[in-house]
Amino acid sequence: ETGVTQSPTHLIKTRGQQVTLRCSSQSGHNTVSWYQQALGQGPQFIFQYYREEENGRGNFPPRFSGLQFPNYSSELNVNALELDDSALYLCASSFRANRRHPYGYTFGSGTRLTVV
Amino acid sequence: DQQVKQNSPSLSVQEGRISILNCDYTNSMFDYFLWYKKYPAEGPTFLISISSIKDKNEDGRFTVFLNKSAKHLSLHIVPSQPGDSAVYFCAATPPGSGTYKYIFGTGTRLKVLA
Repeated sequence: ETGVTQSPTHLIKTRGQQVTLRCSSQSGHNTVSWYQQALGQGPQFIFQYYREEENGRGNFPPRFSGLQFPNYSSELNVNALELDDSALYLCASSFRANRRHPYGYTFGSGTRLTVV
Repeated sequence: DQQVKQNSPSLSVQEGRISILNCDYTNSMFDYFLWYKKYPAEGPTFLISISSIKDKNEDGRFTVFLNKSAKHLSLHIVPSQPGDSAVYFCAATPPGSGTYKYIFGTGTRLKVLA
């Protein structure tokens, strides 16, 4: 059983550019969430996808967008990059079942994005 | 507005002793609370959770206590081992949305000294 894999592991972009980060969910998982972790902070919820539709969004502007594909892989797109977008971006997958038993996401190792 | 707070950025404990990591929250309507552990260059890994209707959950060396009146939870690790050295995040799930959105604290770095 493979875990959650993210690519690339590191990325440097220039302010104003666009970036696409990719995630392959753990086998059997149908829900994917994206989190941003700035230095010294906890992960912050960006959004979640379930059955290829956005299923909840955190306090992030529309230039953060995503996709979930039929094979449950996912992309996070960020347009018009700003310096403050520099962070670790974490993808997490789960199986959406009985929400009264959240056994937690499976997180990937993240993509470290640096905006210069 | 930080709804989940971990006020101790770091903690050092001798091997074999108890580690106690603390977390405070502001929203009395949170459904579940979870603890995650994170090693460098890895994603967070799920450790243990507790429902808001319980006050204690135990899994091996790890026990989580929930004090709803104080809006406080703690993670006890007994006995602590050097491999437990990591950053620990507490997280809470808001009610009603069904999105499994987690609100994380800022983390506590635990160092277990051999």
